[in-house]
Amino acid sequence: GENVEQHPSTLSVQEGDSAVIKCTYSDSASNYFPWYKQELGKRPQLIIDIRSNVGEKKDQRIAVTLNKTAKHFSLHITETQPEDSAVYFCAAQTQTGANNLFFGTGTRLTVIP
Amino acid sequence: SAVISQKPSRDICQRGTSLTIQCQVDSQVTMMFWYRQQPGQSLTLIATANQGSEATYESGFVIDKFPISRPNLTFSTLTVSNMSPEDSSIYLCSVTGSGANVLTFGAGSRLTVL
Repeated sequence: GENVEQHPSTLSVQEGDSAVIKCTYSDSASNYFPWYKQELGKRPQLIIDIRSNVGEKKDQRIAVTLNKTAKHFSLHITETQPEDSAVYFCAAQTQTGANNLFFGTGTRLTVIP
Repeated sequence: SAVISQKPSRDICQRGTSLTIQCQVDSQVTMMFWYRQQPGQSLTLIATANQGSEATYESGFVIDKFPISRPNLTFSTLTVSNMSPEDSSIYLCSVTGSGANVLTFGAGSRLTVL
């Protein structure tokens, strides 16, 4: 099945700085790549996603880039705020079987005021 | 997006017992999944709940340990059987709607096995 690797596992930034989280995947047939944010004690929530027919997508302070050739994608958060502090998970969806989502190991982002 | 109700939200169980977790969605959904999230860890897919047929399990998960039912398009249950402390985890129901890949999660059921 799909194998998704995520780096770094922890990330601390000063408020206002940018944060970048990177993921790689193994299955070249994967074509959907969402990012989830999980605040402490809460459910994971989708914050942005990208499909394989585009290379970049942006939503206000959040952007995601995709390099299908290299099989990696990244989350970029600009002008970070304390409320951005959470665990972020990347995921990749295969196109075989039941279109399952496979998650990375997560990045704990801390934004220091 | 779909609204998912999961219960119980948390439970403390004794070793060797079984617990059934229920997932109710407010609309018909195409796909329902069960994930496990161990403390401080990522989300691991247990199985896809198939309506009217046996669930499809991921490697490392078996039907005898995690029996799943899905009698219709809005409801599913996951049973954690013969529990041990290693089963202490959060179990999350998730769904995708028709024509979309977006996965929505329930609030999760936090299980502690003593």
